[in-house]
Amino acid sequence: QQQVKQSPQSLIVQKGGISIINCAYENTAFDYFPWYQQFPGKGPALLIAIRPDVSEKKEGRFTISFNKSAKQFSLHIMDSQPGDSATYFCAAGPGNFNKFYFGSGTKLNVKP
Amino acid sequence: EPEVTQTPSHQVTQMGQEVILRCVPISNHLYFYWYRQILGQKVEFLVSFYNNEISEKSEIFDDQFSVERPDGSNFTLKIRSTKLEDSAMYFCASSDLWGYTFGSGTRLTVV
Repeated sequence: QQQVKQSPQSLIVQKGGISIINCAYENTAFDYFPWYQQFPGKGPALLIAIRPDVSEKKEGRFTISFNKSAKQFSLHIMDSQPGDSATYFCAAGPGNFNKFYFGSGTKLNVKP
Repeated sequence: EPEVTQTPSHQVTQMGQEVILRCVPISNHLYFYWYRQILGQKVEFLVSFYNNEISEKSEIFDDQFSVERPDGSNFTLKIRSTKLEDSAMYFCASSDLWGYTFGSGTRLTVV
């Protein structure tokens, strides 16, 4: 059973456009939802995270939207740049002292 | 910014050999983890470690694997009798209340 489902698998966006990646989770006990950015040969790096007590969190060009009733959350990258080209993973878990379940990843390619 | 350090960055080993992957977690973190990422696939949890013992392990983490905190700073993953399918990136992570940080990984290639 997949605890976290992520889509799309790959995404091509023009520079300046909006990149949107979606995730859905199963377990209502999850209360921490981070997004990770991974460049080739590197480990996942925390990009932004949200807890279910808020519906949206924004940090610079990155926004997480969270829908608790639908058990869905999404990452929006505004004004996408070629440097944003990477693989993005959503994750979910019961907090910082537990394992995370990762989505399958979205490979983002931002065209100049 | 504090980092989780992993060594080596790349390890090539022959099938059947034992390997030890090393990690230095962030110094004041108390929770430690190993994850695995087979090429092109998602990151998968292997094991978590707290207070000098395993707190949780996945189905992947069978008797072939073991973890140890041999001193106050290192956290190791030992894989006995490696198989071809153990080829993957192995990520160490550590956490406290305010953060959960991954290392850059060790690429293990079993030939």
